[in-house]
Amino acid sequence: NAGVTQTPKFRVLKTGQSMTLLCAQDMNHEYMYWYRQDPGMGLRLIHYSVGEGTTAKGEVPDGYNVSRLKKQNFLLGLESAAPSQTSVYFCASSFRQTTTGWEQYFGPGTRLTVT
Amino acid sequence: AQSVAQPEDQVNVAEGNPLTVKCTYSVSGNPYLFWYVQYPNRGLQFLLKYITGDNLVKGSYGFEAEFNKSQTSFHLKKPSALVSDSALYFCAVRPTGGGNKLTFGTGTQLKVEL
Repeated sequence: NAGVTQTPKFRVLKTGQSMTLLCAQDMNHEYMYWYRQDPGMGLRLIHYSVGEGTTAKGEVPDGYNVSRLKKQNFLLGLESAAPSQTSVYFCASSFRQTTTGWEQYFGPGTRLTVT
Repeated sequence: AQSVAQPEDQVNVAEGNPLTVKCTYSVSGNPYLFWYVQYPNRGLQFLLKYITGDNLVKGSYGFEAEFNKSQTSFHLKKPSALVSDSALYFCAVRPTGGGNKLTFGTGTQLKVEL
């Protein structure tokens, strides 16, 4: 199993450009999440999904959109990139069952720089 | 709302010595607590979790953590540190009945030196 994969690994954007980050998981997890990681701030939840066709806002959703058309994929979009969105983005997934304790499994990350 | 505090930005330990990485939490109800590790340029890896039961939880790579309800703490420990343990460690909390979202601490950089 590949686990959680993310594409691309690196990207440089100019202010105002758009892009989509792709997350895929092969563990049949119901839940998927997008986080951003910034120095000294830990991980902050951007958006999440509890199942195919559903999405919800997290802690820092502004400037981002998401879609979950297939259970295994979760897309994060930036419509008009801003320098404040320079960050490392992580995707994660988890089972819905409460007996598992809700641990999340993370992808390797995408390093995005907006100039 | 729940929160997690990791009071030390960095912890330095000599190889072979015991290590402790501190975590305290604030949550309504009983918490689910987690530790994750992040190696350079990698994603987070799950180390261990506390859900219920025994307050001492054992996890991957020889790590363990002790849940202390009265002190609202969940410190990560290892009896004998290795240079390869050097990494960024995150504590996270999910309240019981609080849905699927985790709240992460800001992370503690562990440096193990020869």
